[in-house]
Amino acid sequence: AQKITQTQPGMFVQEKEAVTLDCTYDTSDPSYGLFWYKQPSSGEMIFLIYQGSYDQQNATEGRYSLNFQKARKSANLVISASQLGDSAMYFCAMREGVVNFGNEKLTFGTGTRLTIIP
Amino acid sequence: AAGVIQSPRHLIKEKRETATLKCYPIPRHDTVYWYQQGPGQDPQFLISFYEKMQSDKGSIPDRFSAQQFSDYHSELNMSSLELGDSALYFCASSSLAASSYNEQFFGPGTRLTVL
Repeated sequence: AQKITQTQPGMFVQEKEAVTLDCTYDTSDPSYGLFWYKQPSSGEMIFLIYQGSYDQQNATEGRYSLNFQKARKSANLVISASQLGDSAMYFCAMREGVVNFGNEKLTFGTGTRLTIIP
Repeated sequence: AAGVIQSPRHLIKEKRETATLKCYPIPRHDTVYWYQQGPGQDPQFLISFYEKMQSDKGSIPDRFSAQQFSDYHSELNMSSLELGDSALYFCASSSLAASSYNEQFFGPGTRLTVL
């Protein structure tokens, strides 16, 4: 079974609108972390935001927020007031288990390609 | 701020040749991860090192080997290259001392093309 599922292969959004990128995950480990990365066409992977399984509040980082619904096992990324520079591939990723010296490999979803329309 | 450095950025090899990819982590980061991202694919974990010791292993072919040196830089050695090895290879580094959730910071990647 897929550990990370991103059901939106591509999305087109008007500039200045908010956008939600979906991510569901599957793990039986009570301790895990969820990450969102942005990959522009240039190829680099840029860390955006993190949510830990025991975090009580949804994470926020500037225009990025994470809608974490633990019971539904979803961790959707919300980008407010989208900009042209937000056009990129977005990956949701999960680390299973506690943070443990080098054993924090990430499992990625298949990504969502977001295109912002002027 | 210093970032993860990878070299070379682009590499073209013939089938059956060898390749060495280098990674220089962010200063004071003690953990290095290697990922392989095939065309149109998500990154796949290959191997990781903590304090110069291999800490975890993923779907890394036997033809590949890696190590982390005393200065914490890491090298991924790939032998008997196959067409299917063409991919973007990322190195990421992290440090538990720097962040409680130990996020991984990725380098720009090395794009390997096997002809």
